[in-house]
Order: sequence, then structure tokens, then C-alpha cells
Amino acid sequence: GESVGLHLPTLSVQEGDNSIINCAYSNSASDYFIWYKQESGKGPQFIIDIRSNMDKRQGQRVTVLLNKTVKHLSLQIAATQPGDSAVYFCAEILYGGATNKLIFGTGTLLAVQP
Amino acid sequence: KAGVTQTPRYLIKTRGQQVTLSCSPISGHRSVSWYQQTPGQGLQFLFEYFSETQRNKGNFPGRFSGRQFSNSRSEMNVSTLELGDSALYLCASSLVQGPYEQYFGPGTRLTVT
Repeated sequence: GESVGLHLPTLSVQEGDNSIINCAYSNSASDYFIWYKQESGKGPQFIIDIRSNMDKRQGQRVTVLLNKTVKHLSLQIAATQPGDSAVYFCAEILYGGATNKLIFGTGTLLAVQP
Repeated sequence: KAGVTQTPRYLIKTRGQQVTLSCSPISGHRSVSWYQQTPGQGLQFLFEYFSETQRNKGNFPGRFSGRQFSNSRSEMNVSTLELGDSALYLCASSLVQGPYEQYFGPGTRLTVT
């Protein structure tokens, strides 16, 4: 496969542990946030989203927390598995009148040790 | 249902040449967006097409262009290639206009020498 990115922040966890991936977003006016997972050789895959009127949302084994005061997002993965190894991106939707754009963060490489 | 497909998967071009990349969206999806992914700049939005019209555009030079056909398939063209255009080019399709509920393809890896 291809490496998604070099020199990414890396989070190394043991299989079965919980993982927390953090992201600082750029625009206080952003209203919608998404976490994506990108495995080697593949495009980003939607994990979970959250709107700015919420501070927490849960999915299957994943939880997203939003702190608008400090413009911070986190993704929590419970009972991390080897298949969770990937690069994780947060993205915000910046509203620009009639057009909206998806702005991605720099990504974090999650390495799950068996 | 088949996912988003991109062709070719890998491409090597020489500086100054032009290149055309193709994206076939998920059946029924009318929006196709293109992104450039590089280690230095990360994932950056190029443009979005919906119903054959460009609806949104990122901050890329005019050398980057695209189009969408009546069957929603999209092509992206880069003219006068530069070394810095080496990247993974991703397309994403969606039922609705805008960056919502997008499904990404595997990308085309372009290398400019």
C-alpha cells in the first residue's frame, strides 16, 4: 500500500486499550465536524460526525467530543483493535454563503500494537 | 452497490505534460468533489461538481480544471504539470450538493518527474 502521509503525529496503543485522538480546528464559525479514517491505499472513510450544537456523540466503539470554547475535537476509540490502525483526520465544514467547504486537519497515525 | 472508482490508480508524468484523471461516483450520486492529498499540505479541496456544473472551488491555480458528464462521471485535468503536483488525488461522491455524506474513492497516485 501507499503511505498516506509522512511525519504525522503518531499515537501508539496496545490492543484492547482505549485510544484518544485529538484535533484542533481552525474556524469558530464552523458548524459541522467529521472524523475520517484512512487506511493505507484507500480513501478516507467516514467514522462519525457532530454538529456544533452538541458536545458529545457516540457511535459503535467511538465517541466524538466537541469543545467549542477551545476549538477542540477528540475521537475516542474503545477497545482498540489492530484493524483500527490507520490515519485519522478531523474535518470541519466552513460555511461560505452559498458554498460550503470541507477543511481537513493534518491527521494522526494510530498504530495498534498486538 | 459499487463504491467510488478512480482510474488510473497510478500515473507517472513528466513536468510540463498534462494529465486527466477519471472518477465514477456511486450510482445515483450527483455530486463529485476532488481533493489533493500531499504529505506537506494534507488533504485540500479542489472543486465540486453537481449536475454537470462546478458549484464550489478551492484555492488552486487555473491549471487544475474539471468537468462532469451527464452520467455524473467526472474528470479532472491538470495542465503544465509541476513537480509539486505529485500527490494522491481523491474524488468523493455524494447524493447531495456540498461536503456532506461523502464517499471517497481509493485515489489516483500521480508522480511528476
